[in-house]
Amino acid sequence: GIQVEQSPPDLILQEGANSTLRCNFSDSVNNLQWFHQNPWGQLINLFYIPSGTKQNGRLSATTVATERYSLLYISSSQTTDSGVYFCAVSTGGGNKLTFGTGTQLKVEL
Amino acid sequence: GAVVSQHPSWVICKSGTSVKIECRSLDFQATTMFWYRQFPKQSLMLMATSNEGSKATYEQGVEKDKFLINHASLTLSTLTVTSAHPEDSSFYICSARDPRGSEREKTQYFGPGTRLLVL
Repeated sequence: GIQVEQSPPDLILQEGANSTLRCNFSDSVNNLQWFHQNPWGQLINLFYIPSGTKQNGRLSATTVATERYSLLYISSSQTTDSGVYFCAVSTGGGNKLTFGTGTQLKVEL
Repeated sequence: GAVVSQHPSWVICKSGTSVKIECRSLDFQATTMFWYRQFPKQSLMLMATSNEGSKATYEQGVEKDKFLINHASLTLSTLTVTSAHPEDSSFYICSARDPRGSEREKTQYFGPGTRLLVL
């Protein structure tokens, strides 16, 4: 099956800093989503982005489908950004998502 | 956006008992729902695809007789962990796709999860 690797696995930032999270996948995809899992476990949808670039406030994402990677940009980070960030992809028509390995982000004051 | 709920949010049970977890789509109808499991410090792993009115499709290595899935209506899917044992302790999360979006919008929305602890 498809492999989804995320980097870095762990990241510590000072409040106000910017960061880039990366998601590499091993095959063509027709769906790619970015999620933020908060400390209580809830997965929060950030982006549906199988290709192209989107922005939502301090967050933006870019997927280069031909090169099989996606990037999530976090600007002016805040302590509430802490948690685990996952990308998830699907191939074919079944909509089954394969999750990446995750990036654990901690934003400190 | 689409809202998915789960109940209960956490449960503690004795080894050998069965536990039922409900997943509901609150403001849309979902012909397909998905069940995931997440162990501490790990990623989410898909367990099965729940199809309304038909049998669930299980991922390789997931015991269908252990994890019973019923999708009796367009807004409700249930996962029953039968004869639970301590190794079944985990965080169980369901998701559903909101079909009201455009065909290209295949966004899945996730419930808040259920923490299961088997003693």
